[in-house]
Amino acid sequence: DTAVSQTPKYLVTQMGNDKSIKCEQNLGHDTMYWYKQDSKKFLKIMFSYNNKELIINETVPNRFSPKSPDKAHLNLHINSLELGDSAVYFCASSLGYYNEQYFGPGTRLTVT
Amino acid sequence: GDSVTQMEGPVTLSEEAFLTINCTYTATGYPSLFWYVQYPGEGLQLLLKATKADDKGSNKGFEATYRKETTSFHLEKGSVQVSDSAVYFCALILKIIFGKGTRLHILP
Repeated sequence: DTAVSQTPKYLVTQMGNDKSIKCEQNLGHDTMYWYKQDSKKFLKIMFSYNNKELIINETVPNRFSPKSPDKAHLNLHINSLELGDSAVYFCASSLGYYNEQYFGPGTRLTVT
Repeated sequence: GDSVTQMEGPVTLSEEAFLTINCTYTATGYPSLFWYVQYPGEGLQLLLKATKADDKGSNKGFEATYRKETTSFHLEKGSVQVSDSAVYFCALILKIIFGKGTRLHILP
């Protein structure tokens, strides 16, 4: 009965490739997020969707494109991967924008 | 702009020591404040929260009080255990901002 799940857990790929990370939540939440955590554990929000609509789009290269097919899913597609994209990416969800967020286990992306 | 400032880590304590991790914020409105904990290799978990001034959040022996006058939300625990070793994040939700995290090491 996983609340927020992400696939894959690990992703190793070469520069220039295109990859996707999937996120699903079964909590009935209406808001979902993507975060990037760097090697120093600094956590920064990238995107947020509420009821399938984009409400936060921080300064992120347009190689990153979120897609929300429904309220329970928020996928992250990354084009032309670069070395600097290596990080752990976390998906999260909440009921409403101002409430506590529930995080997925993370996807460790390594670009070689 | 809105921001969160946490004390620099790592913080290293002996078991049963008293813990304080400082967190201060700046915000143009009235944010909700949260502490999250991240154990090694895992995602973040909500530890406690407070949604208005003078609210006290508490969980697993940890406490934090929303102090509007000092714009602070310091995390405290009276007696830490080795199992408390983790990275702790203070977060502000008005605009979504997380502090940089404080790594805590507890020595047995």
